[in-house]
Amino acid sequence: ETGVTQSPTHLIKTRGQQVTLRCSSQSGHNTVSWYQQALGQGPQFIFQYYREEENGRGNFPPRFSGLQFPNYSSELNVNALELDDSALYLCASSLGQRGYNEQFFGPGTRLTVL
Amino acid sequence: AQRVTQPEKLLSVFKGAPVELKCNYSYSGSPELFWYVQYSRQRLQLLLRHISRESIKGFTADLNKGETSFHLKKPFAQEEDSAMYYCALFYGQNFVFGPGTRLSVLP
Repeated sequence: ETGVTQSPTHLIKTRGQQVTLRCSSQSGHNTVSWYQQALGQGPQFIFQYYREEENGRGNFPPRFSGLQFPNYSSELNVNALELDDSALYLCASSLGQRGYNEQFFGPGTRLTVL
Repeated sequence: AQRVTQPEKLLSVFKGAPVELKCNYSYSGSPELFWYVQYSRQRLQLLLRHISRESIKGFTADLNKGETSFHLKKPFAQEEDSAMYYCALFYGQNFVFGPGTRLSVLP
């Protein structure tokens, strides 16, 4: 059984650019959630995908979008990057869309926007 | 908007002392509450969830709907408990995490 993996580990972008972050869910998991964690803060929920459909969304603008693929891996896309988008982006997978299902987190992707 | 507050950014206790990490939430419905933990150089992981009414690594948490609290407790802290602890609320299809409390257990 493999755990949640994320790529890349780090990346640096400039304001206005677009970025794609990737997540492979744990084997057998069909739900992926994405979080943004700014320095010194708790994770903020961006959205969740369940069986390839967006299943819930936090208070993030439409320039944050995502995809889930048939193998349940997922992408987070951010357009028109802003300085405040600099953060650690966490992906978590779980089995099923219910909240009480345990989420397994990846190591994160550190995004720096200059 | 639903919120989770953790009033202490840092909590230091001595080994063997009791520890309580505070968590309050704002939600009028039936909450699903969790504690997640992040040990040094490790990933965020689930510690416990109120629905299971379980005790993990000696930690327990009781949901108090009247006080809208879900404090995490352990009677005797161990050095290996030193970590970042996050309280989290699930409602609808949305998760809200608190800002976290760093627990430092001193020898």
